[in-house]
Amino acid sequence: DTGVSQDPRHKITKRGQNVTFRCDPISEHNRLYWYRQTLGQGPEFLTYFQNEAQLEKSRLLSDRFSAERPKGSFSTLEIQRTEQGDSAMYLCASSFYRGNSGANVLTFGAGSRLTVL
Amino acid sequence: KNEVEQSPQNLTAQEGEFITINCSYSVGISALHWLQQHPGGGIVSLFMLSSGKKKHGRLIATINIQEKHSSLHITASHPRDSAVYICAVSIIQGAQKLVFGQGTRLTINP
Repeated sequence: DTGVSQDPRHKITKRGQNVTFRCDPISEHNRLYWYRQTLGQGPEFLTYFQNEAQLEKSRLLSDRFSAERPKGSFSTLEIQRTEQGDSAMYLCASSFYRGNSGANVLTFGAGSRLTVL
Repeated sequence: KNEVEQSPQNLTAQEGEFITINCSYSVGISALHWLQQHPGGGIVSLFMLSSGKKKHGRLIATINIQEKHSSLHITASHPRDSAVYICAVSIIQGAQKLVFGQGTRLTINP
């Protein structure tokens, strides 16, 4: 296992098109997170899954955004009818949650950079 | 006001200097993370701590829970340390999702 993989690394699209990003987490990790990072800013939380269940979505995630993790392994993040404001780095991270109240170390992917023209 | 604030936002130093990056937070946390991000996007976890101090090589991270403050120190800095350093907290009520600071861009000149 080589860590968290994201695909594609870069995507350039025209406004109005749909795009889909894929994240393959570390295989034994049950939690998967999506973050968005714009230039010069820290990442912002979008959504997370525990196994296949999407447990939380940020208000940043408009109706044009949808995320799935159908079998509790890889996840996809789809953006419909892209807008220029969607241009950002989309980061995926995973962790193993043991059901305790403590925090867990997240392992991040390299990110998928979206440019909407 | 952001829940996690870092200072400075940008820091330029000469090789060999002792570096300190500060992080303050305003929410209840279960842990604080220091992360490193190089150009191109990849984020690497450096430390996760909930009390006291941790050391790894030339990097030292400290946290004061009462004051809600953490520092990341780099001793004998080197140009390869140039990166963005990000402080993030796992908030107690937030399913351990991270809330990030805006990052500190560190440049070490030879």
